[in-house]
Amino acid sequence: SQTIHQWPATLVQPVGSPLSLECTVEGTSNPNLYWYRQAAGRGLQLLFYSVGIGQISSEVPQNLSASRPQDRQFILSSKKLLLSDSGFYLCAWARGGQGINNSPLHFGNGTRLTVT
Amino acid sequence: GEDVEQSLFLSVREGDSSVINCTYTDSSSTYLYWYKQEPGAGLQLLTYIFSNMDMKQDQRLTVLLNKKDKHLSLRIADTQTGDSAIYFCAEIRPNRDDKIIFGKGTRLHILP
Repeated sequence: SQTIHQWPATLVQPVGSPLSLECTVEGTSNPNLYWYRQAAGRGLQLLFYSVGIGQISSEVPQNLSASRPQDRQFILSSKKLLLSDSGFYLCAWARGGQGINNSPLHFGNGTRLTVT
Repeated sequence: GEDVEQSLFLSVREGDSSVINCTYTDSSSTYLYWYKQEPGAGLQLLTYIFSNMDMKQDQRLTVLLNKKDKHLSLRIADTQTGDSAIYFCAEIRPNRDDKIIFGKGTRLHILP
């Protein structure tokens, strides 16, 4: 069966510090990978998605970046955090492939980031 | 509009039925999803419906789809305290690289 791991679960970082959140998926190959952010009291905002190694699509211009160095590894980074980067970050995977992707998203348990 | 719309709050008495409504935007969406988020946790896929179906039932959950009005609903029968969570509706947008777009979520509160 497939599993998705996200870490750390919680993180408190000062403004201006770097960020690295990691997500890995097990039990599947060539998944589509996603980073979402959920701000308090708001819905899910798609930040980045990837359909393959080294392929990153950005949805929202901001000071965050994403990388996919391996097939089942997805990393969210920032060189300098802002207060507005606080939120709940969720990694997700879906079955990849050609054509319409009717595979639902499967989420990790999330990382609660507080920028102070 | 571009957004998937849901009401933000719903209060229901324990044992009653809960009905959570959603209006989506893309008439070409092939699949529509319901996710559940408990406090401090990620999203859990509850159920989904294919666009050529009108209804899907899974134990206490019933999903109704009205394609003409682009309206989706989730009915939870015999609501329990464990059903207290935020429920997200989501659609696939085939004309936008199959992105899955979420509503803002409906917080379901169970009254004793």
